[in-house]
Amino acid sequence: GAVVSQHPSRVICKSGTSVKIECRSLDFQATTMFWYRQFPKKSLMLMATSNEGSKATYEQGVEKDKFLINHASLTLSTLTVTSAHPEDSSFYICSARTLGGHSSYNSPLHFGNGTRLTVT
Amino acid sequence: RKEVEQDPGPFNVPEGATVAFNCTYSNSASQSFFWYRQDCRKEPKLLMSVYSSGNEDGRFTAQLNRASQYISLLIRDSKLSDSATYLCVVNNRAQNAGNMLTFGGGTRLMVKP
Repeated sequence: GAVVSQHPSRVICKSGTSVKIECRSLDFQATTMFWYRQFPKKSLMLMATSNEGSKATYEQGVEKDKFLINHASLTLSTLTVTSAHPEDSSFYICSARTLGGHSSYNSPLHFGNGTRLTVT
Repeated sequence: RKEVEQDPGPFNVPEGATVAFNCTYSNSASQSFFWYRQDCRKEPKLLMSVYSSGNEDGRFTAQLNRASQYISLLIRDSKLSDSATYLCVVNNRAQNAGNMLTFGGGTRLMVKP
């Protein structure tokens, strides 16, 4: 079954509005979650690393004031696309690791089911 | 040069064929490797981890060649349901560093009846 739940799966919004996407880890605590964006026929691109209780780490070229990330609990991270524009239309995916053992970085990522955002 | 490179394909193969994908990575310090499968308009799903000694899971075999810095995925007896994009994912050494995961661009496989 799914270990990471993402909501909503699809959203259509008008230009200038804000959209919040939730990412929840199911049955495990995730101190770190990751947000990716994927344009059609392109690879996943990491946007930011969400850290529970502290500020997110953004990748180069990603505007932190436009893509607000909040990781207030060990099971929930949210991404808010503020003042959305049509060029923000994309597939947004979150992920988290189920940690275990001393080599957690060897653990694969589990992805949420993604959110398809369309800005009109 | 991209950190993780894959032939984008598409690879068009008939049912029952054997197909192999390669993926090269540029960072010799890379520590762990994975193959993910992504269906159209869906999220990636882990197919298998890749171990140094090579590993097999049913019809799927993954191998790692550290000297040449590439990993491979072999699919035997292809099924129509194997049609998808296969993503090579490389994790570089750093503590708690999910942001060191690098995705290849994916290889698209289309299995035809």
